[in-house]
Amino acid sequence: NAGVTQTPKFRILKIGQSMTLQCAQDMNHNYMYWYRQDPGMGLKLIYYSVGAGITDKGEVPNGYNVSRSTTEDFPLRLELAAPSQTSVYFCASSDTSPGARAFFGQGTRLTVV
Amino acid sequence: GDSVTQMEGPVTLSEEAFLTINCTYTATGYPSLFWYVQYPGEGLQLLLKATKADDKGSNKGFEATYRKETTSFHLEKGSVQVSDSAVYFCALGGGATNKLIFGTGTLLAVQP
Repeated sequence: NAGVTQTPKFRILKIGQSMTLQCAQDMNHNYMYWYRQDPGMGLKLIYYSVGAGITDKGEVPNGYNVSRSTTEDFPLRLELAAPSQTSVYFCASSDTSPGARAFFGQGTRLTVV
Repeated sequence: GDSVTQMEGPVTLSEEAFLTINCTYTATGYPSLFWYVQYPGEGLQLLLKATKADDKGSNKGFEATYRKETTSFHLEKGSVQVSDSAVYFCALGGGATNKLIFGTGTLLAVQP
């Protein structure tokens, strides 16, 4: 059982470049989340989705976009990378509600230079 | 909005010491409460959870009780080990929110 898979694991971007962080889960979970974790800091919610076709902003959505065309996939798009987006990004999913156990991917370490 | 506040770290303990990491929450409705643990270089994994008031979650010697009257969910362990060294996150989800909200995390370092 693969769980939540994130790709890539590491990436270096130049300022102004764009990229998509991929997240896929094979547990048929409705809820999916994107978080960023800055050094020495906690998790901040970027975007979340309660099901295919439905997304909503979290605490820090500026500079990011998401889509949820299928239950399995929840990609995060950075359009114009900035140094402030240097962080570790985690994708997570949960089954019936946010009150259920969440499963996390291994994270993507992004550096913008 | 809903939020979670947990004690600042780092917390440094000697092996076999007693651990408490404080967590309080603000929420509308009745969310589930969680403790997640993050080992170095890894993603988060669930340590324990409680779904309603007075529930006690427990796992691997760790315990936490959902206290509605004090809006708290403090994590405790009677005797920590070096292998418990990690970052611990308190979180809430469900109830009146569609979000899974985390505290800032507390780094625990256990010395032999």
